[in-house]
Amino acid sequence: GQQVMQIPQYQHVQEGEDFTTYCNSSTTLSNIQWYKQRPGGHPVFLIQLVKSGEVKKQKRLTFQFGEAKKNSSLHITATQTTDVGTYFCAGPNAGGTSYGKLTFGQGTILTVHP
Amino acid sequence: DVKVTQSSRYLVKRTGEKVFLECVQDMDHENMFWYRQDPGLGLRLIYFSYDVKMKEKGDIPEGYSVSREKKERFSLILESASTNQTSMYLCASSRYTGGASSYEQYFGPGTRLTVT
Repeated sequence: GQQVMQIPQYQHVQEGEDFTTYCNSSTTLSNIQWYKQRPGGHPVFLIQLVKSGEVKKQKRLTFQFGEAKKNSSLHITATQTTDVGTYFCAGPNAGGTSYGKLTFGQGTILTVHP
Repeated sequence: DVKVTQSSRYLVKRTGEKVFLECVQDMDHENMFWYRQDPGLGLRLIYFSYDVKMKEKGDIPEGYSVSREKKERFSLILESASTNQTSMYLCASSRYTGGASSYEQYFGPGTRLTVT
């Protein structure tokens, strides 16, 4: 079945350092979504990328969708303690009509040391 | 604001008990989902529903069933709880899409279930 792999599983950074998480799909995706889950919280939608090679920015966060639409990345510039949490990527299920189902990556847990 | 609520934040049940987890959304979304979240495994889909009384199995449906009698409510049922069903359970909803695309999902706060 479709797999969405995310690396690294854990990342510890000092406040002010940059952070990147990578997402790779075993199949071509029509779009990719990113979610953030704060400790003790639930996943919250951040953004969706649709076009091949698309780049979107949200303040210090930069999201990219690969040319082949099989990979994506999230880059945070100058991390802050408010960035801590788990970042998930997710893509629609392959094989025709997905009915909105998503396959989630395992997530990257980000820890920021002040 | 979309609001997805779940019946309990924490639940402790005994092995063999029948367990009901309820989820309600207030945005008239067609799609509703049940996931379980375990460390290192991400979010795994148990069941989902794209309409009232319609349901489809996800990736890990064994030991679970669901019910959707009303559009806003989606229930997850553990017929006979076992210790390996100890987990965080997350409900989500989204707008319907019939194609290969998808809309963002809105999650509830989660239910941490412990089966002893």
